[in-house]
Amino acid sequence: QKEVEQNSGPLSVPEGAIASLNCTYSDRGSQSFFWYRQYSGKSPELIMFIYSNGDKEDGRFTAQLNKASQYVSLLIRDSQPSDSATYLCAVNRGYSTLTFGKGTMLLVSP
Amino acid sequence: DAGVIQSPRHEVTEMGQEVTLRCKPISGHDYLFWYRQTMMRGLELLIYFNNNVPIDDSGMPEDRFSAKMPNASFSTLKIQPSEPRDSAVYFCASSYGSGANVLTFGAGSRLTVL
Repeated sequence: QKEVEQNSGPLSVPEGAIASLNCTYSDRGSQSFFWYRQYSGKSPELIMFIYSNGDKEDGRFTAQLNKASQYVSLLIRDSQPSDSATYLCAVNRGYSTLTFGKGTMLLVSP
Repeated sequence: DAGVIQSPRHEVTEMGQEVTLRCKPISGHDYLFWYRQTMMRGLELLIYFNNNVPIDDSGMPEDRFSAKMPNASFSTLKIQPSEPRDSAVYFCASSYGSGANVLTFGAGSRLTVL
């Protein structure tokens, strides 16, 4: 089983819709969870992180964490074409390093 | 701050040649990470430094790869000899203290080994 799994996509949503990106992880000891966005040909950039079970909101973005199910998700409300990118889920297992999933490509059509 | 600076941005070389990738982290950041990204394997951690000291190099694929951080403002990743399977985008990232996982990535170095 891979440590961090994401559906590669692409996930296609129309402009204005809610995009839901999902991630599962294998290590129950994982402590913190990160979402990075990567535009084509660019480097990853941090969107947000979450440590505790439940929801964390930042503008149009909401991260959701369920440690019992080993599941973390990112919701993007009012999706815009500029949100089209690959979204990388990353997990910290208690050290100073992150393990990344391969990412989900999101396509937002006008 | 200019962010994390990597060079070269693109490198095309022939199999067997030595490749050196360079990174300047953000001033004041005490962690530096080297990642490699390919379509097949995604983003993989190769090695990371804390206060210029290599902490974990278990991701370095083999002895052909080496990394150094002679001071707080400079790091190199060297591949000698290079092979076609080393073709990838190599990212350097830096971070600070308790926010070690809040990475700022450089623009990346795209390596093609023919």
